[in-house]
Amino acid sequence: DAGVIQSPRHEVTEMGQEVTLRCKPISGHDYLFWYRQTMMRGLELLIYFNNNVPIDDSGMPEDRFSAKMPNASFSTLKIQPSEPRDSAVYFCASSSTRDGSYEQYFGPGTRLTVT
Amino acid sequence: SQQGEEDPQALSIQEGENATMNCSYKTSINNLQWYRQNSGRGLVHLILIRSNEREKHSGRLRVTLDTSKKSSSLLITASRAADTASYFCGTGGTSYGKLTFGQGTILTVHP
Repeated sequence: DAGVIQSPRHEVTEMGQEVTLRCKPISGHDYLFWYRQTMMRGLELLIYFNNNVPIDDSGMPEDRFSAKMPNASFSTLKIQPSEPRDSAVYFCASSSTRDGSYEQYFGPGTRLTVT
Repeated sequence: SQQGEEDPQALSIQEGENATMNCSYKTSINNLQWYRQNSGRGLVHLILIRSNEREKHSGRLRVTLDTSKKSSSLLITASRAADTASYFCGTGGTSYGKLTFGQGTILTVHP
């Protein structure tokens, strides 16, 4: 398996623009997580899905952020409009309940810079 | 707010020495996981310890958990330069899969 795939790897955009981050989880995994990592706040869980259904979005900072999972193999995190304080590395991770493991598999991340 | 808090924030040792990192948390947990992050990469799972376990080993890794003190430690024995990375503890509660991470410990192993 190729692991969790994220795109783009780097994104530079101007304040006010819409940004869409993409994630393909490991095939067969039923949980998907979106995290944000900054020096100031560390690694924060934004939202997670189970079987494509959002379970907990309490970490989403504000209404400018939205996430969808239209099917088991694809998820998006959208920021509209983007602001400089959204600059961070965004990680997607997936996990499977089938083997009882709680281990999360992380993607390589998308480094977002908002100028 | 962060659940797990790692200590120390940074650790610098020589190759061959042991490295010990600690994690403290505030609320009851179901499990605690340790992850490694190399610069510019995603997190990689190292080891999981459940709340009813006290110690676990995996290769050169040893993890302990003291639920009465709400703390865990990760010991890396005979460290190598390749162990240089940031190490995070993630605490899992009753909601499957949801982890709360600390700020991490930056480990530097000098050859």
